[in-house]
Amino acid sequence: GENVEQHPSTLSVQEGDSAVIKCTYSDSASNYFPWYKQELGKGPQLIIDIRSNVGEKKDQRIAVTLNKTAKHFSLHITETQPEDSAVYFCAASWSNYQLIWGAGTKLIIKP
Amino acid sequence: DAGVIQSPRHEVTEMGQEVTLRCKPISGHDYLFWYRQTMMRGLELLIYFNNNVPIDDSGMPEDRFSAKMPNASFSTLKIQPSEPRDSAVYFCACKRAQSENSPLHFGNGTRLTVT
Repeated sequence: GENVEQHPSTLSVQEGDSAVIKCTYSDSASNYFPWYKQELGKGPQLIIDIRSNVGEKKDQRIAVTLNKTAKHFSLHITETQPEDSAVYFCAASWSNYQLIWGAGTKLIIKP
Repeated sequence: DAGVIQSPRHEVTEMGQEVTLRCKPISGHDYLFWYRQTMMRGLELLIYFNNNVPIDDSGMPEDRFSAKMPNASFSTLKIQPSEPRDSAVYFCACKRAQSENSPLHFGNGTRLTVT
């Protein structure tokens, strides 16, 4: 079945620097790749997503890139701020109703 | 829009007791999902409904778990009898069926502790 691997499990960066989180997926039929942010005590919240017919998508300080050939996609956060500290999850799916989740990355922004 | 409302936020119970978790989805969202989150296993989909009908319950771990959606504005997840290994955060989420790009909206979860 589909499997999604996410790295690193913990990422610590200096405020203002960039952060990159990477995911790989196994099922070549996957065509939808969302990223969710989970703050302490809350449920995950969608921050950006990409479909397989697009290689890159940006939204202000956040961008996602997709390499279909290599079956990996990445989340890029530039100019990190304290409020970016959270756990980030990638996911992959061939159906928007059945997501396969990565294990999560705890992002720590150091002041 | 109050978002997805889950109750209770925290539940502590003894092994063998029945536990009922509740969810009120966002009005107009046709799909409802129940997830379980633990450190060891991450986010696991337990079951999801479309228009109040269970579509896929293959993630429900055992017969001790059951879920219902009697109407479009209410769903329950019941564990009977509960066991310590059921301790986790349980999330309810919903989405609109209109667009494939519509996101999952999660509630803030119920943290269940079974002693």
